[in-house]
Amino acid sequence: QPVLTQSPSASASLGASVKLTCTLSSGHSTYAIAWHQQQPERGPRYLMKVDNDGTHNKGYDSRNKGDGIPDRFSGSSSGAERYLTISSLQSEDEADYYCQTWGTGFVVFGGGTRLTVL
Amino acid sequence: QVQLVESGGGVVQPGRSLRLSCAASGFSFRTSAMHWVRQAPGKGLEWVAVISYDGNNIYYADSLKGRFAISRDNSKNTLSLQMNSLRTEDTAVYYCARDSSRMTVVINYYFDYWGQGTLVTVSS
Repeated sequence: QPVLTQSPSASASLGASVKLTCTLSSGHSTYAIAWHQQQPERGPRYLMKVDNDGTHNKGYDSRNKGDGIPDRFSGSSSGAERYLTISSLQSEDEADYYCQTWGTGFVVFGGGTRLTVL
Repeated sequence: QVQLVESGGGVVQPGRSLRLSCAASGFSFRTSAMHWVRQAPGKGLEWVAVISYDGNNIYYADSLKGRFAISRDNSKNTLSLQMNSLRTEDTAVYYCARDSSRMTVVINYYFDYWGQGTLVTVSS
């Protein structure tokens, strides 16, 4: 099964952009992932699916975003890395962000990145 | 709109059992695969189990096999998780989540809607 690695923390200023990274373990670079956001004291919320960079538009299709997710959120891929880019950061973007991958009969989460909006 | 509401959490002693429920509404529950995911206090997310739309395909996290049982009642739009032989390390918020596949016979294994969770505390 793949292992997903995320930096424990990230920070960026209000109105700026930030790019969060989720890295797939060796031998699993073609796996798709999903990003989920968890604001403080709330249940997670699905953001988007990101495929590998061999697919259309480097793995990102806006049709794979969750309901109501703003255009400020986008995804991309490069090799074993999957990215979540948030532009025009707002205070409500301060949250934990989890990537997740899967195969038949299993699901794996990354450890999560806590994003602080300065 | 899609709603998932978990219930059944509480404080339980080690070794005892507990049954969680998830009431689904706002979508076709009977054609959707469903998952349970948990989160220990201050920790990350951990997948627990998945059940196909008809209950015929079920998978569990390796660490939980034999103690937990996922089931569903499509007539009541309800997902359940029976937890037996509970341990202190099972203390967590338990979330139900809808699989993102809109094709009945396909499980995508990623989730497009989550509930708000129910807290299970295993303590003597």
